[in-house]
This record gives sequence, C-alpha cells and structure tokens, in this order.
Amino acid sequence: GAGVSQSPRYKVAKRGQDVALRCDPISGHVSLFWYQQALGQGPEFLTYFQNEAQLDKSGLPSDRFFAERPEGSVSTLKIQRTQQEDSAVYLCASSPGLVQETQYFGPGTRLLVL
Amino acid sequence: LAKTTQPISMDSYEGQEVNITCSHNNIATNDYITWYQQFPSQGPRFIIQGYKTKVTNEVASLFIPADRKSSTLSLPRVSQSDTAVYYCLVGHSGAGSYQLTFGKGTKLSVIP
Repeated sequence: GAGVSQSPRYKVAKRGQDVALRCDPISGHVSLFWYQQALGQGPEFLTYFQNEAQLDKSGLPSDRFFAERPEGSVSTLKIQRTQQEDSAVYLCASSPGLVQETQYFGPGTRLLVL
Repeated sequence: LAKTTQPISMDSYEGQEVNITCSHNNIATNDYITWYQQFPSQGPRFIIQGYKTKVTNEVASLFIPADRKSSTLSLPRVSQSDTAVYYCLVGHSGAGSYQLTFGKGTKLSVIP
C-alpha cells in the first residue's frame, strides 16, 4: 500500500519567501507529526495532530512556522519569511492511532534557503 | 523531557552481532522506548519498541533493564545493508502532551 508521501522533495527559497510543504499520510491514520532534521542531527519534533486537532505545537521554533490539517488527512507546514537557519529536511510521519504506536515516515522535504 | 545519549558511531564486520546502547536516565514511568533506522535521503524506519524486559522481532532484539535507565538494540549477524544511522526514541503521551525525543543517533558502518 501507499506510504507517507511528501511534496516537494526539494525546495530552494530565497530568504524572506514563504514556503508550503505538503504531507499525505497513510490513509486512515489518526496521528500526524512534523519533524525538522538538520544536517548530521536527529529529527526534532515540531508539532502533532490527532485528526484535525493540533494537540502539541511546542516544537515550532517561531511564529513564522504554522501547520494545519483541516480535514484530518493532508497536512501542510508553512514557513513564512524564510531564514537561512530554516534550511533543513522536514519530515512528516503518521501513525494509526495513539502516539505510542509505530510512526511511518515520509521521505522528507529538503529545504534550502539562500 | 527524557534526554537520550548514544555512541556517535560504531564499526562492525559482516556476520557479527551489534549492540547499540542508549542511556535515558530521566525516563518517566509512562515513557516507551523505540528504535528507528535511517538511510541517507530517507525518513526513519521503525525497528522495534518496548517498555520493559526484552522484546524480539524478526529484525532485532531490545533489552531493557529493570531500572529502564538504558536500553540496548541488538542486531544479529549484520550485513552491509545494515549500514545506517540508528536512533533511540523515548516518548509518552499524557494529557495535552506528546513529547517525542530522538537521540543524536549512532552511525553504524558494516565492513565487508
């Protein structure tokens, strides 16, 4: 079956531009996570959705970062006024139910801010 | 928030058993331990998860001592295809809190 997909796979943005990163989770998965992974580092938690409800956004680094999942399936991570320090791989993961379950990761979107 | 510590890197020869230990001294009562594997340009992939004692699946074993302050991922008879970064994850869900923490990862290199 289809896994988690993310688009675009690569994004180059000029500093100050807004970007939108899309995540298509596995169909029927209740939980959805966004992570940020800097080069050579482990993924860092950004935010968590249970269906359409954003239950935890404590990992979002600034108010320039915004995530939504309006219908409880597809999610979008938006970064406004991008900065060079936003350059990283953004990973999306989904799981069938509660957060303790296995998370299935997408391939990530590599964002480069020039 | 439970912090994890892993070795930065490990080398092994093909056919050997590899044990990677993760320290998580501040693990909470309702935290679980999960290990993921990551190849370059891919998202992490689930390997195994446990809460206490020993868990085994077709890929690996996970050993967790009684105090749960550490855990050891055991990979039997590794091959070059096991060369990857392995992450230890400690997390829980509580009322209004969904904190998941990846360690810095252990880069395993399997030598032919």
